[in-house]
Amino acid sequence: EPEVTQTPSHQVTQMGQEVILRCVPISNHLYFYWYRQILGQKVEFLVSFYNNEISEKSEIFDDQFSVERPDGSNFTLKIRSTKLEDSAMYFCASSALSAGGYEQYFGPGTRLTVT
Amino acid sequence: GESVGLHLPTLSVQEGDNSIINCAYSNSASDYFIWYKQESGKGPQFIIDIRSNMDKRQGQRVTVLLNKTVKHLSLQIAATQPGDSAVYFCAEKNYGQNFVFGPGTRLSVLP
Repeated sequence: EPEVTQTPSHQVTQMGQEVILRCVPISNHLYFYWYRQILGQKVEFLVSFYNNEISEKSEIFDDQFSVERPDGSNFTLKIRSTKLEDSAMYFCASSALSAGGYEQYFGPGTRLTVT
Repeated sequence: GESVGLHLPTLSVQEGDNSIINCAYSNSASDYFIWYKQESGKGPQFIIDIRSNMDKRQGQRVTVLLNKTVKHLSLQIAATQPGDSAVYFCAEKNYGQNFVFGPGTRLSVLP
């Protein structure tokens, strides 16, 4: 069964450093998403991406964040200058929009720890 | 701002019993809702969805009910099994591709 994969599973970085979180969505999917989940809190939408551009973004997704689909398979989230409060699980998801809805398949997540 | 919330943070049920997990939403303009299951150390897993033009949808052992009058969503799991133990989130499509998640309910299945 196809699945979304994410690397690394755990990233530790110092405050102020740049990090890139990587995702490989399911190959025939067209919509890509990044979410984050701070420990013990709810999943929060960051950004959606379609047709090589951002389609939606939340207030969390400020100028420190960027996304890219550098090739036909990878989807990345970059945080330019990490802050302590960026520590969270980051989930990538993808979906193939159908007439029925938006069934999103989530990856296993990357745990980002900013020290 | 608009938010999605859950009435109960934890729910314990006996194996074989039915489970009902509830969710309140506040954005009356939301037109699509999803229930997710999240097991420890894993990403959310799609369970079932429902559009606002429906009030009930059934899947395998799961049923989602939508009451737009009171802005309430529920997930019913029939014959709950140990493998159903997880955190369950509801999510509403706020606008475009922006999904707002509830805080989650932890379901524990007792032997």
